[in-house]
Amino acid sequence: EPEVTQTPSHQVTQMGQEVILRCVPISNHLYFYWYRQILGQKVEFLVSFYNNEISEKSEIFDDQFSVERPDGSNFTLKIRSTKLEDSAMYFCASSRDIYGYTFGSGTRLTVV
Amino acid sequence: AQTVTQSQPEMSVQEAETVTLSCTYDTSESDYYLFWYKQPPSRQMILVIRQEAYKQQNATENRFSVNFQKAAKSFSLKISDSQLGDAAMYFCAYRSLGGSQGNLIFGKGTKLSVKP
Repeated sequence: EPEVTQTPSHQVTQMGQEVILRCVPISNHLYFYWYRQILGQKVEFLVSFYNNEISEKSEIFDDQFSVERPDGSNFTLKIRSTKLEDSAMYFCASSRDIYGYTFGSGTRLTVV
Repeated sequence: AQTVTQSQPEMSVQEAETVTLSCTYDTSESDYYLFWYKQPPSRQMILVIRQEAYKQQNATENRFSVNFQKAAKSFSLKISDSQLGDAAMYFCAYRSLGGSQGNLIFGKGTKLSVKP
C-alpha cells in the first residue's frame, strides 16, 4: 500500500536554528498537509497546500514557518528560527480527494 | 468554528471484550466527514474508520464500528473482541466538505489500554 514518507524520524536542533522537515507524499495525491502534535496534546492543523500554493493555514503557522514543494515529489516544512515550544511531532499527510487522508509516520523535533 | 470533544481521557478493556469510545462534535454544517484515528506508541496516525455525514448507515470495518447519531452530533467507536494490539490513543476527527478541501479537527484523544 502506498505510504507517505517522512525524514528524518527524529531531529534535535538548537534554539534559533533553522530546520527543514521532509515529506514524500503519495505520488498521485494532490493535497498536502502538515500537522503538529505537542507531546500529550491533540493533533493540530498547520497548513494545507494545493496546486503549488498554500490553500489554508492555521494561527500557529506564522512567519517562522514556510512550506515548499521544490521538485514535484518532496514537500517540506521549514522553521526558520526554532523555539523551545516548537518541540513536537510533525506529521505530513496527503490526499487525492476529500475521502482519504494518509499520514506519514512523523518527525519528532526536539529543540534544545 | 467546529469542535470535537472526547470526554474519556482513558479507557480500559479486557482482552476479547467490547469497548466503546465516545466522541461528540459541534458544527453548523450538514455535510462533513468524521474519522477515528489510532495512534500506537510508534505515534503514527492510522485511519481506523470514516463516516460520511449524509449516510445514515453506520460504517463498519471488521471489529470496528461506529454509532453515528447526526442529530445528537455523536460519533462513538465500538471495538469488538479487543486485542492487545488495539492498545493506543484514539482520536476522533472532523473534516468539513467546504473550503479548501478541509483540514482535520481533532479531539484530545482517548488512551485505550487492553488487559490480557
